[in-house]
Amino acid sequence: DGGITQSPKYLFRKEGQNVTLSCEQNLNHDAMYWYRQDPGQGLRLIYYSQIVNDFQKGDIAEGYSVSREKKESFPLTVTSAQKNPTAFYLCASSIARTSNQPQHFGDGTRLSIL
Amino acid sequence: GENVEQHPSTLSVQEGDSAVIKCTYSDSASNYFPWYKQELGKRPQLIIDIRSNVGEKKDQRIAVTLNKTAKHFSLHITETQPEDSAVYFCAAYDYKLSFGAGTTVTVRA
Repeated sequence: DGGITQSPKYLFRKEGQNVTLSCEQNLNHDAMYWYRQDPGQGLRLIYYSQIVNDFQKGDIAEGYSVSREKKESFPLTVTSAQKNPTAFYLCASSIARTSNQPQHFGDGTRLSIL
Repeated sequence: GENVEQHPSTLSVQEGDSAVIKCTYSDSASNYFPWYKQELGKRPQLIIDIRSNVGEKKDQRIAVTLNKTAKHFSLHITETQPEDSAVYFCAAYDYKLSFGAGTTVTVRA
């Protein structure tokens, strides 16, 4: 969906380094999500936010951090505590906070270790 | 929490034949079931979804059925075409979306 922009498309992390993945949406959606996708696996939820200045841990939050200072933006930081960060990271948004509404995805960021 | 299992993991069909992917879920409170199609290196795209108050939904060559009692739902693709080749994911929503592991569909010309 053109309304969700993830950057960069490719990112390389050095040992001990924190890196931040950007996610911006212009859909006026309340809820935003971060997923991790590994080969041969489904998407796993890292963090989600249903409203500005609030976010919740997902299934695999360890080694990651997020912020939600603006409705449009939900950046994800992969910290040095995440020992196996190589994966495809997908950001998504949905229109409403708590309802079961369709989630729309960005194009993803592929993170690799140098 | 919710656990979604998806079968088969790979599916090869002849062009024009039908493809069926099945998913089961564990949480009876789940009430929304989307299906996503993901082409290699691209974003997942929502192709169809169904809510727990509906048993079946159809959109052209794609249909989804839901059996709440048995806690399973299925995706049916009829008259398959080469452009249907992709990875398909099912998901179930209780308070968050939980995804199946995916099915790689290959349509042979």
